[in-house]
Amino acid sequence: AQKITQTQPGMFVQEKEAVTLDCTYDTSDQSYGLFWYKQPSSGEMIFLIYQGSYDEQNATEGRYSLNFQKARKSANLVISASQLGDSAMYFCAMREVTSGTYKYIFGTGTRLKVLA
Amino acid sequence: EAQVTQNPRYLITVTGKKLTVTCSQNMNHEYMSWYRQDPGLGLRQIYYSMNVEVTDKGDVPEGYKVSRKEKRNFPLILESPSPNQTSLYFCASSLIGRGVEREQYFGPGTRLTVT
Repeated sequence: AQKITQTQPGMFVQEKEAVTLDCTYDTSDQSYGLFWYKQPSSGEMIFLIYQGSYDEQNATEGRYSLNFQKARKSANLVISASQLGDSAMYFCAMREVTSGTYKYIFGTGTRLKVLA
Repeated sequence: EAQVTQNPRYLITVTGKKLTVTCSQNMNHEYMSWYRQDPGLGLRQIYYSMNVEVTDKGDVPEGYKVSRKEKRNFPLILESPSPNQTSLYFCASSLIGRGVEREQYFGPGTRLTVT
């Protein structure tokens, strides 16, 4: 079954250091998209970064990069130079395209705490 | 301002009393979707719509209904709410099409409590 796995329920990182949040996925589709969202304590969902299954380069958006390893079915989020405002819940998600329709599957999330 | 709006933001109701949570987007997006978020479970897709009059079940559709009569609106209907539908609900929308379908835009969420 299609699935997203985030094995780290919680993580700590020191301010200004880099941190990697793990995400593995399982799909039999050839065409899919991978996403990371941030949910601060205020509750809104903030889009961070996207990687298409056919994209050859790893996606980057400012301090965020996605380490995409297709053969291993992993899509880890790397946050460089962590800031206190990065403390939040982070969700990995996958969009599957099946028979022309889109379905989204989310992981259970990783709660990141940045320490001063 | 490009946005997805949901109403109400907070709702406390009783078992069995029909309710509707509205969702509207002003970005001319084809795709709209409803999710529920529960602690430890992440977000789970309830229903989605690829365009007007086209809706389909997500992973947890039981107890919910939707309709898509206009492109901008995608209401979520709970005909007979039960306590296990107490949750945080998100509506989201996006474009469809290779190269433009990078992200879903989420509404602010609706916190529903069913007693």
